[in-house]
Amino acid sequence: DIQVTQSPSSLSASVGDRVTLSCRTSQAISDFVNWYQQMPGKAPKLVIYAASTLQNGVPSRFSGSGSGTDFTLTINSLQPEDFATYYCQQTYFSPPTFGQGTKVDIK
Amino acid sequence: QVQLQESGPGLVKPSQTLSLTCTVSGGSISRGGHYWSWIRQRPGKGLEWIGYIYYTGETFYNPSLKSRVIISPDTSKNQFSLNLNSVTAADTALYFCARVEVGHSTPFDYWGQGTLVTVSS
Repeated sequence: DIQVTQSPSSLSASVGDRVTLSCRTSQAISDFVNWYQQMPGKAPKLVIYAASTLQNGVPSRFSGSGSGTDFTLTINSLQPEDFATYYCQQTYFSPPTFGQGTKVDIK
Repeated sequence: QVQLQESGPGLVKPSQTLSLTCTVSGGSISRGGHYWSWIRQRPGKGLEWIGYIYYTGETFYNPSLKSRVIISPDTSKNQFSLNLNSVTAADTALYFCARVEVGHSTPFDYWGQGTLVTVSS
């Protein structure tokens, strides 16, 4: 299976901060990366697909970039509702696999 | 608006079969354009894709679970089901169903709220 490694595993930030989450895959996967936000006890919510396309209804402070093996999710001006765990997923190779997540919590 | 809802027993005994159903509203499992998927999340762990089914009935499974999994449709009720046999404590998890967009990057765009299944005697 393709390994998906996210870093850091957790980070503390303040409202208004800009945060960057990283995702690395064990093989090149073009831009076949999706990002999900998960609140505790809730279902994941699609935030970004195809590495950089914002899902409908997601605020524009979220952005994604990358291609090949290295990808980033950036949140500009962090809001209280953004504190959550974020998962990166690759879908280029089967089975689709997820990273272990980056937890963003309040400093 | 597409909505998915998981249902099924919250407790299953070891060696038995875990059976869950996902009821879909606002979309049809009988039309193309989407896969219908099961994903699980073990306690304190990340997400693991179990498999999906297409409207043609074609199924795709995670090789790690393939020998124990069946995903099947009930088009009359717009539902699809997960059967996972020979369960052990390692199958204790929060189980989600989701819709998957067919196409570039196949994003999982709608999810159910999840249902917790505990494997214990």
